[in-house]
Amino acid sequence: GAVVSQHPSWVICKSGTSVKIECRSLDFQATTMFWYRQFPKQSLMLMATSNEGSKATYEQGVEKDKFLINHASLTLSTLTVTSAHPEDSSFYICSAHRGGKQETQYFGPGTRLLVL
Amino acid sequence: GENVEQHPSTLSVQEGDSAVIKCTYSDSASNYFPWYKQELGKRPQLIIDIRSNVGEKKDQRIAVTLNKTAKHFSLHITETQPEDSAVYFCAASTNNFNKFYFGSGTKLNVKP
Repeated sequence: GAVVSQHPSWVICKSGTSVKIECRSLDFQATTMFWYRQFPKQSLMLMATSNEGSKATYEQGVEKDKFLINHASLTLSTLTVTSAHPEDSSFYICSAHRGGKQETQYFGPGTRLLVL
Repeated sequence: GENVEQHPSTLSVQEGDSAVIKCTYSDSASNYFPWYKQELGKRPQLIIDIRSNVGEKKDQRIAVTLNKTAKHFSLHITETQPEDSAVYFCAASTNNFNKFYFGSGTKLNVKP
């Protein structure tokens, strides 16, 4: 149990386009999901906390108008990188909070974004 | 906010030896400490976690120790194998799991 999926796994796009990444909890409901960004050989940096039915909360330094987050249901959160530029190229990973006996965060497989 | 520091950044051991990775945290309110293993280009996988009401937890070759007073926790891998080679991240969180703060990672290389 506790499977989290992400789609797409790879995205290559032109500068100026918007890219939407989906994060789904497949076998549990997640009222809270998280979006991370990871540069090569670096740690995971929390970008924002996505709360079902309410606005996301962003970490300091993360532009909320550039990284739009929507948590429309208990199993789906989306991250839209608007007007992407080459510096937005990164590995984006989501995680979903699962409560209960083995409460923790479960990570998606990540989405590699390359902006040309 | 929470600040998690992790050492060493790289660690090379011979197969069969033990490996120890250490993390410190700054926020005394943190009480959940997971460890993740990440292979290149893949998702972080939870390998063990500990809550602040215990000082040590063991799962086969992997153990984690926690010293709340000193605000540090460590990952111990015994009888290392080449497939243990990966990047390991520690993290700290408060009880409401609102945020995970990650360490900078340790690249473990187990030489056969």
